[in-house]
Amino acid sequence: DQQVKQNSPSLSVQEGRISILNCDYTNSMFDYFLWYKKYPAEGPTFLISISSIKDKNEDGRFTVFLNKSAKHLSLHIVPSQPGDSAVYFCAATSGTYKYIFGTGTRLKVLA
Amino acid sequence: DVKVTQSSRYLVKRTGEKVFLECVQDMDHENMFWYRQDPGLGLRLIYFSYDVKMKEKGDIPEGYSVSREKKERFSLILESASTNQTSMYLCASRFSAGLTGELFFGEGSRLTVL
Repeated sequence: DQQVKQNSPSLSVQEGRISILNCDYTNSMFDYFLWYKKYPAEGPTFLISISSIKDKNEDGRFTVFLNKSAKHLSLHIVPSQPGDSAVYFCAATSGTYKYIFGTGTRLKVLA
Repeated sequence: DVKVTQSSRYLVKRTGEKVFLECVQDMDHENMFWYRQDPGLGLRLIYFSYDVKMKEKGDIPEGYSVSREKKERFSLILESASTNQTSMYLCASRFSAGLTGELFFGEGSRLTVL
């Protein structure tokens, strides 16, 4: 039972354009959501998070949107840069030690 | 900056060997985690430790054990390695206060079991 789903395994975007990565979840108890970026042969690095009391959080070029009624969150990267090419994981937790990760979306930003 | 260091980046072991994966964090975090990452499966929790000598099983603990004798160090042990344990292993840590917050990951240990 996959509680956190990233339905797009890959995404290609032109440099300078917006990248939108999506994530759906099924467990309404999740109250904190995170996005991680992972380069090959490296550990994931934290990008941005959002609490369920908010619907938007912004950090520089990265914005996360949360739609609780649809159980959907998205990560927007504007403008996209070649260095953003990586695998992006969303994760969700309900205030315990369990962070449930999606399967990842591979983003390729084309120069 | 938080630093999570995993002792071995790449290991090749034979079936049946005992394998130790070591992880050290330098930020006095109470909580430490071991995940494995496999293509198409995301990150799956093997074990969690909320404090020294304390541990909880994650989603896939079978075939693994852990040890946390010191706060900064969390070890993952494969008692008898099998080929289906070939994977990328990721250690992470976090502060326990608030029970949310980001996980800080190490660079990973890619284990191949032949």
